Amino acid sequence: DIVMTQSPDSLAVSLGERATINCRSSQSVLYSSNNKNYLGWYQQKPGQPPKLLINWASTRESGVPDRFSGSGSGTDFTLTISSLQAEDVAVYYCQQYYSMPCTFGQGTKLEIK
Amino acid sequence: EVQLLESGGGLVQPGGSLRLSCAASGFTFSSYTMNWVRQAPGKGLEWVSAICGSSDSTYYAESVKGRFTISRDNSKNALYLQMNSLRAEDTAVYYCAKSTGGSCYSGIGYWGQGILVTVSS
Repeated sequence: DIVMTQSPDSLAVSLGERATINCRSSQSVLYSSNNKNYLGWYQQKPGQPPKLLINWASTRESGVPDRFSGSGSGTDFTLTISSLQAEDVAVYYCQQYYSMPCTFGQGTKLEIK
Repeated sequence: EVQLLESGGGLVQPGGSLRLSCAASGFTFSSYTMNWVRQAPGKGLEWVSAICGSSDSTYYAESVKGRFTISRDNSKNALYLQMNSLRAEDTAVYYCAKSTGGSCYSGIGYWGQGILVTVSS
């Protein structure tokens, strides 16, 4: 199974500042035939189901604010929130869907400093 | 509008069985891969199982293989998870979740609100 490891486990950032969350996979999730990274980022707020923010490592889902961006390829990925808003307080997860079983990272809790 | 509504959760004794159902609407159900994802109290997300829209192939996490069975009824727009030989560590909120495409290998675009399964004597 592909193991997904996120860092840090928790993060406190001031309003308006940049937040960066990292995700590393134990093997590449880049499918060479279509040059797509099979990696998604999810946001989960307290008491709510997760929400897909970023698909294919860098494609923002419809309706997701453009302060959210995803980058990286192969085994190393980053979710960046360019200017933290109060409503961004949540736990963020990465997930690989390159191979079954698809697996999630352990989560990163983002708080306001 | 996509809607996913889980039912069938509750309290069950260790070793018991439970069948979760998910009623889907707002999309062409048969065309999409469907998943069950769970979250133990205070813990992270754990993918449990998927049934692929393109092939009806099924996949399971190692932790549930041989005990859980995923199935779908496209005529009823329904997804199921039959859970047997339940253990305390299966206690979690179970989410019905729709993938973004019919391929087995796609992200999860929509989630139900989840339903609690508690395994305890």
